[in-house]
Amino acid sequence: AQTVTQSQPEMSVQEAETVTLSCTYDTSENNYYLFWYKQPPSRQMILVIRQEAYKQQNATENRFSVNFQKAAKSFSLKISDSQLGDTAMYFCAFMKLSGANSKLTFGKGITLSVRP
Amino acid sequence: KAGVTQTPRYLIKTRGQQVTLSCSPISGHRSVSWYQQTPGQGLQFLFEYFSETQRNKGNFPGRFSGRQFSNSRSEMNVSTLELGDSALYLCASRRNSQGGDSGIQYFGAGTRLSVL
Repeated sequence: AQTVTQSQPEMSVQEAETVTLSCTYDTSENNYYLFWYKQPPSRQMILVIRQEAYKQQNATENRFSVNFQKAAKSFSLKISDSQLGDTAMYFCAFMKLSGANSKLTFGKGITLSVRP
Repeated sequence: KAGVTQTPRYLIKTRGQQVTLSCSPISGHRSVSWYQQTPGQGLQFLFEYFSETQRNKGNFPGRFSGRQFSNSRSEMNVSTLELGDSALYLCASRRNSQGGDSGIQYFGAGTRLSVL
């Protein structure tokens, strides 16, 4: 079974600064996806970024980038130039790479507050 | 393109009743997954349907069931409601084929169920 651990329950960052959210996972699988999802107060779960484990290059999406360390089973999210709209709960999630499986295993989440 | 639609958005039920929640996936998506989100347990996988067949199931009692129709719309049913069933129920759809969004699950806004 897979587990996803987010050890920081809360973080706060000043607007325009950079913040890094940590995530570790445990799996015996070799091929999988890792995701960061954002859940603002509206409760709508929004995909932030996706990383395919077989790709060595770290994924980036505008102000969001990841540091994927496969051997260490670590997957952190860096948010650059933080904006007030980034205030939300962030979840790290794991999914086996299989056409017949869509189960996401989530971490407990981290509440990020961006201060003006 | 319309996103994942969940209805109703809010529900209030009493213990012992049953409830049915509905999810319409993104057009062309054939996989629908359901998740339960509570403050204590976080996000937990309920089940996944693909082509009208359940192909993954989480660790929930038999009171939780679901089905999928030929147009990929899905319903989940909870019978004999308990206080602990109060939660946000999220539905997600996935394309399930090769493509740029391979592996990505898109979430609906959720149904907030309160059991009194």
